[in-house]
Amino acid sequence: RKEVEQDPGPFNVPEGATVAFNCTYSNSASQSFFWYRQDCRKEPKLLMSVYSSGNEDGRFTAQLNRASQYISLLIRDSKLSDSATYLCVVIFFSGGYNKLIFGAGTRLAVHP
Amino acid sequence: NAGVTQTPKFQVLKTGQSMTLQCAQDMNHNSMYWYRQDPGMGLRLIYYSASEGTTDKGEVPNGYNVSRLNKREFSLRLESAAPSQTSVYFCASIASVGNTIYFGEGSWLTVV
Repeated sequence: RKEVEQDPGPFNVPEGATVAFNCTYSNSASQSFFWYRQDCRKEPKLLMSVYSSGNEDGRFTAQLNRASQYISLLIRDSKLSDSATYLCVVIFFSGGYNKLIFGAGTRLAVHP
Repeated sequence: NAGVTQTPKFQVLKTGQSMTLQCAQDMNHNSMYWYRQDPGMGLRLIYYSASEGTTDKGEVPNGYNVSRLNKREFSLRLESAAPSQTSVYFCASIASVGNTIYFGEGSWLTVV
C-alpha cells in the first residue's frame, strides 16, 4: 500500500462547478499536511496547509480527519485557471529527518 | 529573492556522460532533497540531506551521488548517464516539519 494515495483523475468539470479531492495516508504519526498545486512543466507550489479544524482560503477549503487518516480539498466555483495537478503532501519526523511523502497527484481540467 | 535555485534548467546528455545538477537555498534550511518526476509516477525521492555534511539514500538512489558541502548547497551527480535517467529533477528544502516545502524550478534532463 502506498503511504499517500490520491485518485489520479482526471477530473473534468465545467467552470463554476464544485469539485472535491481526497487523499489518504497510512502513517498515523504524520504531523503536517499540505496541498500543493503543480502546473504543467512547473515546480509544485504551496496551495494551503491543512488542519484538523479545517481552513479556508477564498474558494478553497481543506480539511484533515486524523481518525480516518485522510485529507480533503474542496474547490468551489471552479475557474479555468484552476486546471492543474493537485498534490497531497504528508510530513513526519523519522530517523532524524523530515520525511516528505507526496501523493501522485490528482489532475483537474476545468472547461468553459 | 529568497528561495531555491536550481541549475541547469535543461540539459541533453549522451549515454555514459556525467553531469552535476546544482541546488542552492538561501533560507537557512537544514533539510534538502532531490526528487525525480516521471509522467504518471509522482515525485520520487533520490537522496536527502538532513543537515550539512550528512546525506542518505531515498527511494531511487541507484546511478546518483550527492554532496552537501555546506548548508546552502546540495548537488546531485550522474556519474554515467543512462536513458532511464531521462526525467525532470526537483530540488526541495524545508525548515522543519510544520513549515512550507520550497522547490527549485526543475531541471529537464534528457539522456540519448
